[in-house]
Amino acid sequence: KQEVTQIPAALSVPEGENLVLNCSFTDSAIYNLQWFRQDPGKGLTSLLLIQSSQREQTSGRLNASLDKSSGRSTLYIAASQPGDSATYLCAPRATSGTYKYIFGTGTRLKVLA
Amino acid sequence: SAVISQKPSRDICQRGTSLTIQCQVDSQVTMMFWYRQQPGQSLTLIATANQGSEATYESGFVIDKFPISRPNLTFSTLTVSNMSPEDSSIYLCSVLPRDPFTDTQYFGPGTRLTVL
Repeated sequence: KQEVTQIPAALSVPEGENLVLNCSFTDSAIYNLQWFRQDPGKGLTSLLLIQSSQREQTSGRLNASLDKSSGRSTLYIAASQPGDSATYLCAPRATSGTYKYIFGTGTRLKVLA
Repeated sequence: SAVISQKPSRDICQRGTSLTIQCQVDSQVTMMFWYRQQPGQSLTLIATANQGSEATYESGFVIDKFPISRPNLTFSTLTVSNMSPEDSSIYLCSVLPRDPFTDTQYFGPGTRLTVL
């Protein structure tokens, strides 16, 4: 059974810092892994999708890496801004024929102006 | 991409009643899902809504409690039946537009349910 852990659970930083959010998963047999952002009381917004054959994906100030064999993914946020404040969720998808994503518990990020 | 709307956005219900949540997508999609997010928790998949057939439920979720319909490729409903305070959660509809192996998964804004 896939289990997903995200560290740290919460993070509060001053504006401008470069951030590292970590995600680990127990079953390395995945099709892809997706990083999402969730604002309070809102739905999820997809940030980056990394296929199992890829090592990283970049979008603007965001960069996500994937080390499938070790069951880890990392989300880097460069030059953080107060607008980045949200909960960040990682979700790998298994290769077992299901289309199900298993979600981590998230990292609650607060960027202070 | 896919734009998803959910109705209602929030509701407060009495114990023992039922609530039906609607999910509408702006384009035909391959797959639709329903998730639950309990207070302070991450997302848990309830079921996959199958067009024209019974939904596929995850372990711990049953059709009598969470009946689901998907009459076409753009619309689905989730009913939360015989509600108790433990059902207070955010319920989210999610879709995979085309290729389930490569596509981004999109989420609706959620329905915040409070059961008294």
